[in-house]
Amino acid sequence: EVQLVESGGGLVLPGRSLRLSCTASGFTFGDYSMSWVRQAPGKGLEWLGFIRNRDYGGTTEYAASVKGRFIISRDESRGIVHLEMNSLKTEDTAVYYCTRLGLGYCSSSSCLGPNYFDSWGQGTLVTVSS
Amino acid sequence: DTQMTQSPSSLSASVGARVTITCQASHDINKYLSWFQQKPGKAPRLLISGASNLETGVPSRFSGSGSETHFTFTINSLQPEDIATYYCQQYDNLPFTFGGGTKVEIK
Repeated sequence: EVQLVESGGGLVLPGRSLRLSCTASGFTFGDYSMSWVRQAPGKGLEWLGFIRNRDYGGTTEYAASVKGRFIISRDESRGIVHLEMNSLKTEDTAVYYCTRLGLGYCSSSSCLGPNYFDSWGQGTLVTVSS
Repeated sequence: DTQMTQSPSSLSASVGARVTITCQASHDINKYLSWFQQKPGKAPRLLISGASNLETGVPSRFSGSGSETHFTFTINSLQPEDIATYYCQQYDNLPFTFGGGTKVEIK
């Protein structure tokens, strides 16, 4: 059974940094690209970025809203994907979800194949407030 | 960016009714569209991928159709456990984008 478990959320001051982790199990982690999606309180879903699988060098793509502030990385040996969030703003307050992408491929602009979010973690709440 | 316009934003229907949600993409996304169900306090759950492919374990009363820019999600015979917010999402191009959601309630 695929399991994704996020951790690292909490209360953080504006301007500070926070690192979230997502521990994956139940599948061959290295075969899959992984992504982060967030949901502000009472709002819809927003894709943040993804990291490609090892076959594609673990390269990353980001949404414009977080590019340059957020960094996604992965630890293949431990089956963990991280989301490092810097210069946090109050509008970054949200539940952050780790997701697995299907076995397709995306370039920096277009995609081919089953790149859908087929598994989700339970989410971790990040509150940015003074 | 591909904008996903989902309607209605909310609806109320009786148990047993047929419910339809539409999702319009601002560009041709082929059939690269997913539908998710999200219950309060829970993570989204993938119901449909490829516009019409039902995920394993999803009840057959859920279905999806469409291609290019116009997509439809249907619940045949609404059940009390279907109370949730439903989202469409395109994965044809970056950035991945979601519809605004449809909150489904029982009348």
